[in-house]
Amino acid sequence: AQSVTQLDSQVPVFEEAPVELRCNYSSSVSVYLFWYVQYPNQGLQLLLKYLSGSTLVKGINGFEAEFNKSQTSFHLRKPSVHISDTAEYFCAVSESWGYNKLIFGAGTRLAVHP
Amino acid sequence: GAVVSQHPSRVICKSGTSVKIECRSLDFQATTMFWYRQFPKQSLMLMATSNEGSKATYEQGVEKDKFLINHASLTLSTLTVTSAHPEDSSFYICSARDETGYAEAFFGQGTRLTVV
Repeated sequence: AQSVTQLDSQVPVFEEAPVELRCNYSSSVSVYLFWYVQYPNQGLQLLLKYLSGSTLVKGINGFEAEFNKSQTSFHLRKPSVHISDTAEYFCAVSESWGYNKLIFGAGTRLAVHP
Repeated sequence: GAVVSQHPSRVICKSGTSVKIECRSLDFQATTMFWYRQFPKQSLMLMATSNEGSKATYEQGVEKDKFLINHASLTLSTLTVTSAHPEDSSFYICSARDETGYAEAFFGQGTRLTVV
């Protein structure tokens, strides 16, 4: 079974500052990793995903994440945030075979202040 | 990207009635869809995996007679909350994976259910 730990429930940051949202996972098998963003009362939008290959993954809206197998981490970063980045961010994992269910972390609330 | 449409986006019902939520994959086929429940300021909890043409697989602790799932076609899965009670009030989200793509899961807009 897989599990995901998002170490920070809330991350406040000023506009144009860099940000890192942390995610660690646990699994006994090979996995796919994802970051999703959720705006209030909406579904989830995929920011980026790691399936295989290069460990640095670039996504939409200037976000990127790095897969670190030895540390079982998949931290999300953005060099300069905007007010519009204020949202809930979820890290998720699934087994890397078939079309398996996603297991989500608890979420991190990113609050960007002017 | 692919689109998953969920309907209704918001519903209010009386205690004891049943509510049906639809989840459609608009431009791709999905033999597997997933239903999640999300409480305020919490993460998504997987309720069940919906399989086209067969019975859904429910997660531990989820009442299958309470949350009826039907996946009658490759583009439609429905979740019916039967005999709803106020504690069933929640945000329900469906997702489907595009099996011709790269394992990405697409999510519906969610349904806010309020039972009064």
